[in-house]
Amino acid sequence: QSALTQPASVSGSPGQSITISCTGTSSDVGGYNYVSWYQQHPGKAPKLMIYDVSNRPSGVSNRFSGSKSGNTASLTISGLQAEDEADYYCSSYTSSNTLAIFGGGTKLTVL
Amino acid sequence: QLQLQESGPGLVKPSETLSLTCTVSGGSISSTSYYWGWIRQPPGKGLEWIGSIYYSGSTYYNPSLKSRVTISVDTSKNQFSLKLSSVTAADTAVYYCARHAPFNGGFDPWGQGTLVTVSS
Repeated sequence: QSALTQPASVSGSPGQSITISCTGTSSDVGGYNYVSWYQQHPGKAPKLMIYDVSNRPSGVSNRFSGSKSGNTASLTISGLQAEDEADYYCSSYTSSNTLAIFGGGTKLTVL
Repeated sequence: QLQLQESGPGLVKPSETLSLTCTVSGGSISSTSYYWGWIRQPPGKGLEWIGSIYYSGSTYYNPSLKSRVTISVDTSKNQFSLKLSSVTAADTAVYYCARHAPFNGGFDPWGQGTLVTVSS
């Protein structure tokens, strides 16, 4: 199975909003409401930011939101802060035997 | 607070078997609500799901690695383990363990990760 498709990089200025897309197929992103998003700072383990398309775990800022339309999921970060600069990965359930595939990752730069 | 910790050799020779253990603390691995997974990340690259296990022993593997992967669970020790056979330099990566809800309902929390280098 191919990885989900994410832009290699996005950037924004403090206070602005950005959106990261995650494109799959009807066999993964489009077929199930099991898309999650992860933030990873250099040298650190990934951190869950969004699960089940649009749910935020306890403790995650409400500046982070998720959505899905067809085969594409999106992560939106509003009110960009310097600390948001990191790599972001999406993940989706695919089938009863393949529980997860990941996107290639997007590097967010806060200008 | 649930915590996961990976352990195992940091250096493995080509063609040998990579073996890692994830120790779960602050909660029970026998929870009926969660699965336990392994994910890896080659240096400078993205994340790759390796496989997951339920406390009952049911396993799910990445099709691209299935022929070389075995994941097992030891509920008495609150641990689960990964074995990856016939390793090559392409298997050099940081290996993470993590808990997740059914159907990939988000991997959380993650262990800190352990770098495994395949080299002679």
